[in-house]
Amino acid sequence: DAKTTQPPSMDCAEGRAANLPCNHSTISGNEYVYWYRQIHSQGPQYIIHGLKNNETNEMASLIITEDRKSSTLILPHATLRDTAVYYCIVRVAGGANSKLTFGKGITLSVRP
Amino acid sequence: DGGITQSPKYLFRKEGQNVTLSCEQNLNHDAMYWYRQDPGQGLRLIYYSQIVNDFQKGDIAEGYSVSREKKESFPLTVTSAQKNPTAFYLCASSPGFLQNIQYFGAGTRLSVL
Repeated sequence: DAKTTQPPSMDCAEGRAANLPCNHSTISGNEYVYWYRQIHSQGPQYIIHGLKNNETNEMASLIITEDRKSSTLILPHATLRDTAVYYCIVRVAGGANSKLTFGKGITLSVRP
Repeated sequence: DGGITQSPKYLFRKEGQNVTLSCEQNLNHDAMYWYRQDPGQGLRLIYYSQIVNDFQKGDIAEGYSVSREKKESFPLTVTSAQKNPTAFYLCASSPGFLQNIQYFGAGTRLSVL
């Protein structure tokens, strides 16, 4: 699996967009980018995933660069409840041995 | 109300004791997983099961055991051989082939008395 690199932390103001970066320079052609988040003392929550096109759902948008070596998760209007650790994971889709590797992620702090 | 239920929320283990953490899902998912999380760290995979009556070791299976007798249940036993069991334990499930989209329970926090 391709390794991902995320800064340890960032913050943003409530109501503003939060842009969370992730580097995955060794990504393979069949590997997807997945984002999860974990609010303190809760289980992780799936947010979004993509292969090469930009993706949007009710929670966030995922922007993947054309060379696929990096991506950005965008929370368009961050709220205090978005304060959490965000994990970027690169993995082939499906398969009989699907093991997600959660690193330390990036801690997002949303300030009032 | 579909989801994954882990119990208990908090658990205390005495030295030399085996304890079992419960994980039940009503999502009709084939695959189930157990992860361990230590403070300030990411998740590490203990065991996973692709189908009933089958399970595989993850990265840190030593000192743990599991069973998968029913599709909806995947209990984890922390044995006395696990010398450092204090951690946050998370159970997850995923639907068949889309196994990178995993749904997690609320976790069990295990401490040693």
